[in-house]
Amino acid sequence: GIQVEQSPPDLILQEGANSTLRCNFSDSVNNLQWFHQNPWGQLINLFYIPSGTKQNGRLSATTVATERYSLLYISSSQTTDSGVYFCAVDPQGGSEKLVFGKGTKLTVNP
Amino acid sequence: DVKVTQSSRYLVKRTGEKVFLECVQDMDHENMFWYRQDPGLGLRLIYFSYDVKMKEKGDIPEGYSVSREKKERFSLILESASTNQTSMYLCASSVLRADYEQYFGPGTRLTVT
Repeated sequence: GIQVEQSPPDLILQEGANSTLRCNFSDSVNNLQWFHQNPWGQLINLFYIPSGTKQNGRLSATTVATERYSLLYISSSQTTDSGVYFCAVDPQGGSEKLVFGKGTKLTVNP
Repeated sequence: DVKVTQSSRYLVKRTGEKVFLECVQDMDHENMFWYRQDPGLGLRLIYFSYDVKMKEKGDIPEGYSVSREKKERFSLILESASTNQTSMYLCASSVLRADYEQYFGPGTRLTVT
């Protein structure tokens, strides 16, 4: 099946710093989503981005489908950005089921 | 806004008990999903349903069953809870089309003692 690899596994930043999280996937995809899991465990939708670039405030994402990777950019990080960021994909020709990466744990210190 | 709710945030049950986890979505979504999340293993799909009374096994269905009698409600059943089913359980829903987004509930932390 499709492999989804996220890097780095852990990231520690000072408040105000910028960061880039990466998601590599091993096959073509219909669907790619980025989620943020907050400290209470809820998965919050950040982006639906099977291709192209999107921005939402301090966050932006780019997916280069032909090269099978996606990047999540966080600018001017805040302590509330802490948590785990997941990338999830649905392979092309798939069955509308997402395959998740292992996540990147982000800690933003004040 | 899409809303997916789960019946409990925290649940403590004893080994051998029958456990019901309920999930309700308010967006008329066709697809509903149950995942469990464990440290080091990530999110794993237990079951999903694409219509009322329809279900498909995910990656780890053993020890679980599901019920979908109404479109908005998807239940996960642990017939006889065991300690290795202590986990975070997450429910999700989405529309039935290629360009879908999956939306998650707040999760239920289940402890089986």
